[in-house]
Amino acid sequence: DAGITQSPRYKITETGRQVTLMCHQTWSHSYMFWYRQDLGHGLRLIYYSAAADITDKGEVPDGYVVSRSKTENFPLTLESATRSQTSVYFCASRLAGATEQFFGPGTRLTVL
Amino acid sequence: KQEVTQIPAALSVPEGENLVLNCSFTDSAIYNLQWFRQDPGKGLTSLLLIQSSQREQTSGRLNASLDKSSGRSTLYIAASQPGDSATYLCAVRLFTGNQFYFGTGTSLTVIP
Repeated sequence: DAGITQSPRYKITETGRQVTLMCHQTWSHSYMFWYRQDLGHGLRLIYYSAAADITDKGEVPDGYVVSRSKTENFPLTLESATRSQTSVYFCASRLAGATEQFFGPGTRLTVL
Repeated sequence: KQEVTQIPAALSVPEGENLVLNCSFTDSAIYNLQWFRQDPGKGLTSLLLIQSSQREQTSGRLNASLDKSSGRSTLYIAASQPGDSATYLCAVRLFTGNQFYFGTGTSLTVIP
């Protein structure tokens, strides 16, 4: 049971480049989430999705784009990366109607 | 906006000691509260989840309590072990919305 996976685990890019972080879950959970974790801020929600083709903004959505064409995948794209987007990104998922969230291992992104 | 605070930010205790981690939140209209453990460079592992109607949850040496009226939750760890060393995060979900609001965590070190 693979659960929830993220790729890549580590990424270094340059300012202005487009970057896509992948999230894949094998549980058929309807809800998926993207968080970023920064020192002093804890985890903050970027975007979430309630089902395929349904997405909504979280607390810090600026500079990010998401899509969800398939239930199991929820990619996060940084259209033009900035240094302030250097962070650790976590994907999470849960069943509709359930309370517990399950997290992926994270992607450490560095923007030079 | 929900603000979640965890005090202390860091804690160091000798092995075998019982300890309490604190989490406070500003909006008492919570749907549930979840405690997570995060090991360095890893994702989040769910420890305990308390629904708004519950006062506490227990799992092994861990006990989490919830007092909505005072906006507080505590995580009690009995007979601490070096393997308990990690960062502990609490997260709160409100009745409105799907977002979890995270505290910045308490970094625990258990000294052998």
